[in-house]
Amino acid sequence: KNQVEQSPQSLIILEGKNCTLQCNYTVSPFSNLRWYKQDTGRGPVSLTIMTFSENTKSNGRYTATLDADTKQSSLHITASQLSDSASYICVVTRTGGGNKLTFGTGTQLKVEL
Amino acid sequence: EPEVTQTPSHQVTQMGQEVILRCVPISNHLYFYWYRQILGQKVEFLVSFYNNEISEKSEIFDDQFSVERPDGSNFTLKIRSTKLEDSAMYFCASKRDLTGELFFGEGSRLTVL
Repeated sequence: KNQVEQSPQSLIILEGKNCTLQCNYTVSPFSNLRWYKQDTGRGPVSLTIMTFSENTKSNGRYTATLDADTKQSSLHITASQLSDSASYICVVTRTGGGNKLTFGTGTQLKVEL
Repeated sequence: EPEVTQTPSHQVTQMGQEVILRCVPISNHLYFYWYRQILGQKVEFLVSFYNNEISEKSEIFDDQFSVERPDGSNFTLKIRSTKLEDSAMYFCASKRDLTGELFFGEGSRLTVL
């Protein structure tokens, strides 16, 4: 069954600290993996996309990694800011196009002073 | 920057009433989607639409749901007879091609009383 599991479910960190969010998937055949940021009550916004051949990709303070062999990805946030408080969703796409996206349940991150 | 726009942002309706949620996808996009997110749960796929027809739909998308692209810009989701369990945030999304990034709208919150 195609699934995407994320951990932790929620996380509270102090401003300025780093954190790493995890995503494990069983989706196959794999096309790509995206991390989305979803602010409360808003639509998800794409942060990074990882294809099969990519191991690491950065977007500002966000760095995503992908291990296609173990089917794991991580999102590392450096020097967190209050505005990073959001839900971070891992979404895996199967090959074949169309809708074949599988969403994770998200990690709810709260950054505090 | 082009964006997916949705209206209304929030709609409250009585059980059994018909609801139409409207979306204007990004203008040069060809693939259109509706997703929903029940409060506290993950984003769920409802339906995908391409070339003026449904290309895929989920089990959630039963006979009470329909989609339409009445003109060159709007993409609507209709729920014929709303149920309490239809209360959720409904997201419209679009992408230019099969492998492109999926852009989400800000969502329409539906509350069924």
